[in-house]
Amino acid sequence: GAVVSQHPSRVICKSGTSVKIECRSLDFQATTMFWYRQFPKKSLMLMATSNEGSKATYEQGVEKDKFLINHASLTLSTLTVTSAHPEDSSFYICSARHSDSVSGNTIYFGEGSWLTVV
Amino acid sequence: DAKTTQPPSMDCAEGRAANLPCNHSTISGNEYVYWYRQIHSQGPQYIIHGLKNNETNEMASLIITEDRKSSTLILPHATLRDTAVYYCIVRAHTGFQKLVFGTGTRLLVSP
Repeated sequence: GAVVSQHPSRVICKSGTSVKIECRSLDFQATTMFWYRQFPKKSLMLMATSNEGSKATYEQGVEKDKFLINHASLTLSTLTVTSAHPEDSSFYICSARHSDSVSGNTIYFGEGSWLTVV
Repeated sequence: DAKTTQPPSMDCAEGRAANLPCNHSTISGNEYVYWYRQIHSQGPQYIIHGLKNNETNEMASLIITEDRKSSTLILPHATLRDTAVYYCIVRAHTGFQKLVFGTGTRLLVSP
């Protein structure tokens, strides 16, 4: 399957600071990427959908000024958690839609990034 | 997207087949059935997807009933590394349709 990579895999930051997580599609171009958040023992919750070159579409209840998403190229999307608080501590996962004749519009996921805000 | 129903947990002995069921009675004609799994502390891994015909790849087989209201993911020879949460998701195959995760089935493969 196609490869999606996230960086960093783990990050610790202080309250009030901002932290950026990168999501890259390594061997395909992704016009659409998705960001999820997951709390321990819970399912994945979709935060937003980002399309290359346009503004992200946020799910209901997700603060767009808090979670800034940029999808500046066909292989890179970034999630910036601004003014982080301890309750933002979570597992953040990105995914990318691979659209070609072989994969047929399948979505592939990154390894996830653990954020701890202290 | 149509809602799916899966048992919360299942057990399977190592080396035996694991059959994971999924109900999706409100699936619409253009929606595919996708299966992903998530091993602890990792991102979900794509397994297989299908529309109405049975599908098989190197990881698993997918059996979809004729009325498409339910499906079964089959891991033919489960190993300890197959212990994970398995998610069944229905999604339109075209356009920018997102994946919405339910609670999945926690499969425990034991020696």
